[in-house]
Amino acid sequence: AAGVIQSPRHLIKEKRETATLKCYPIPRHDTVYWYQQGPGQDPQFLISFYEKMQSDKGSIPDRFSAQQFSDYHSELNMSSLELGDSALYFCASSLNPGQGGTNEKLFFGSGTQLSVL
Amino acid sequence: AQKVTQAQTEISVVEKEDVTLDCVYETRDTTYYLFWYKQPPSGELVFLIRRNSFDEQNEISGRYSWNFQKSTSSFNFTITASQVVDSAVYFCALPSGNTPLVFGKGTRLSVIA
Repeated sequence: AAGVIQSPRHLIKEKRETATLKCYPIPRHDTVYWYQQGPGQDPQFLISFYEKMQSDKGSIPDRFSAQQFSDYHSELNMSSLELGDSALYFCASSLNPGQGGTNEKLFFGSGTQLSVL
Repeated sequence: AQKVTQAQTEISVVEKEDVTLDCVYETRDTTYYLFWYKQPPSGELVFLIRRNSFDEQNEISGRYSWNFQKSTSSFNFTITASQVVDSAVYFCALPSGNTPLVFGKGTRLSVIA
């Protein structure tokens, strides 16, 4: 079965550079979520989109932005990168949870490992 | 806010031993779901189970079983006859308000051959 696809798998950037992470959800899934997992940490929720609209917002820095496109894929844009942004970034997708949280199963991609030097 | 506590940071067992990973949660909701995810060394997060608070029956899937005890707010995960491939970090999680999933800190399980 098709899974969540994330690209790139690994990304190395310098401080103050920008980065764009891409996520392609499971076919027919209309909701995407972004999570950040620092080394040895649990994943932290950043932001989610349902039908191309932002649905929930977590601890996403102002330097980051994201959007969901008409084909439901999503991109996380990160600017003015800092050393502390080095982390594994996960995208997950699910079916229509409605607004205000979800009890749906989230299916995660393999993540993008971002290293900021 | 909802909270998940996984008190065991790391567990090490010898292959074929049984092992139980503890999960204690806090929630103000009367209806809620609980989840377990596995993160193997390769890094991806793999969905294991979703459980509705209405259903307190234990669930078994092969060597995996889950014990949901509403009275003690626990949702423990047992692996029977552990194998080296079970080595991973295991996360317990539940939705919290507008956060799709709040994860516990995870338990790192090492199964030694």
